[in-house]
Amino acid sequence: DSGVTQTPKHLITATGQRVTLRCSPRSGDLSVYWYQQSLDQGLQFLIQYYNGEERAKGNILERFSAQQFPDLHSELNLSSLELGDSALYFCASSATGGRGYTFGSGTRLTVV
Amino acid sequence: AQSVTQLGSHVSVSEGALVLLRCNYSSSVPPYLFWYVQYPNQGLQLLLKYTSAATLVKGINGFEAEFKKSETSFHLTKPSAHMSDAAEYFCAVSDEGYSSASKIIFGSGTRLSIRP
Repeated sequence: DSGVTQTPKHLITATGQRVTLRCSPRSGDLSVYWYQQSLDQGLQFLIQYYNGEERAKGNILERFSAQQFPDLHSELNLSSLELGDSALYFCASSATGGRGYTFGSGTRLTVV
Repeated sequence: AQSVTQLGSHVSVSEGALVLLRCNYSSSVPPYLFWYVQYPNQGLQLLLKYTSAATLVKGINGFEAEFKKSETSFHLTKPSAHMSDAAEYFCAVSDEGYSSASKIIFGSGTRLSIRP
């Protein structure tokens, strides 16, 4: 157990739908990062939050959004889902930026 | 902008042989460098990290990596491969180690297979 909790572990949904992925960071970590892992794109950085504020943005689609709540858990919202959104979505947390992250076990999203 | 290039998407070695996974980085400032391992159906686990201290970094499971600034490399090695080392390995770089606004950029990964 890495200390970073992601739910759900698996999600199957239809095209056009909206889903929410949840991440609870390791105790004491203020930064949360979201990554998408797919076979053709590899590990892509999506977005980072630090203590509730968005700090860095990567290759995140406009259909995707995220937020970090006062208790530091984070949610990634994916809407108008397409088949190509099928991927593993990882959350990671860190105490100090750039010093190494702790990853959760991921949410496997399948869009059918 | 930072980037990492992992040479070889798939490496196969015999059990007991030397493991060498290659990584070259590009960064405009002194980088922080990482190696992560991903076992099937699992998340990424930090193997080791370089944060401008010793250039030879020792990690978990007998792995180590050497930072070579002149070659912009951070290759991962293990003297003797074990069957349990079969996994995907990712090299990563961050150049914002002193900021709360940072991200780690990952290479494309190298799949390590171990032959009995």
